[in-house]
Amino acid sequence: RKEVEQDPGPFNVPEGATVAFNCTYSNSASQSFFWYRQDCRKEPKLLMSVYSSGNEDGRFTAQLNRASQYISLLIRDSKLSDSATYLCVVTGGSQGNLIFGKGTKLSVKP
Amino acid sequence: DVKVTQSSRYLVKRTGEKVFLECVQDMDHENMFWYRQDPGLGLRLIYFSYDVKMKEKGDIPEGYSVSREKKERFSLILESASTNQTSMYLCASSPGTLGGGTYNEQFFGPGTRLTVL
Repeated sequence: RKEVEQDPGPFNVPEGATVAFNCTYSNSASQSFFWYRQDCRKEPKLLMSVYSSGNEDGRFTAQLNRASQYISLLIRDSKLSDSATYLCVVTGGSQGNLIFGKGTKLSVKP
Repeated sequence: DVKVTQSSRYLVKRTGEKVFLECVQDMDHENMFWYRQDPGLGLRLIYFSYDVKMKEKGDIPEGYSVSREKKERFSLILESASTNQTSMYLCASSPGTLGGGTYNEQFFGPGTRLTVL
């Protein structure tokens, strides 16, 4: 089983749509979880951390289910500017390094 | 704002050449990382460093070495470049100590797209 798995997409949605991304991770000892965003030909940037109780930042909601080793990201009222690749990231390995999923590509159309 | 800079955005080298990729961060971060990113494979960790003169192998260290002589600078070295090292190379830094179950955001540089002919 791969360490962090994501649906690669692409997800093609109209403006205003709600879209959800899912991610599973294999290391039950992982303790920190994140969503990063990577625009085309740019570097990844932190979008939000994911907390056990779930957290929201504007139109973005992240959820964590430790029992199922599952993380989700919900984007409401999609904007054209949300078009990017979304990377699911968890801590793992002997040094607690970040392990990146391969990303889910989102394309928001007018 | 944290700034991570990389010496080149684009680089073209020939097979067998020695290649140096430089990374500098200006926020006094303890930890620095080198990744490569390839289509379909995502980000893969090559080497990381949690202190000056310290280095640890990541998932794919073969064919690479690193140097961290100063806290702000982390260099990736390809001793003898090969065509399979054509890739996007991303440097990152983060504050704080590694391990212990806690972790901090990594800040990435803009990347160096290396082509080995």
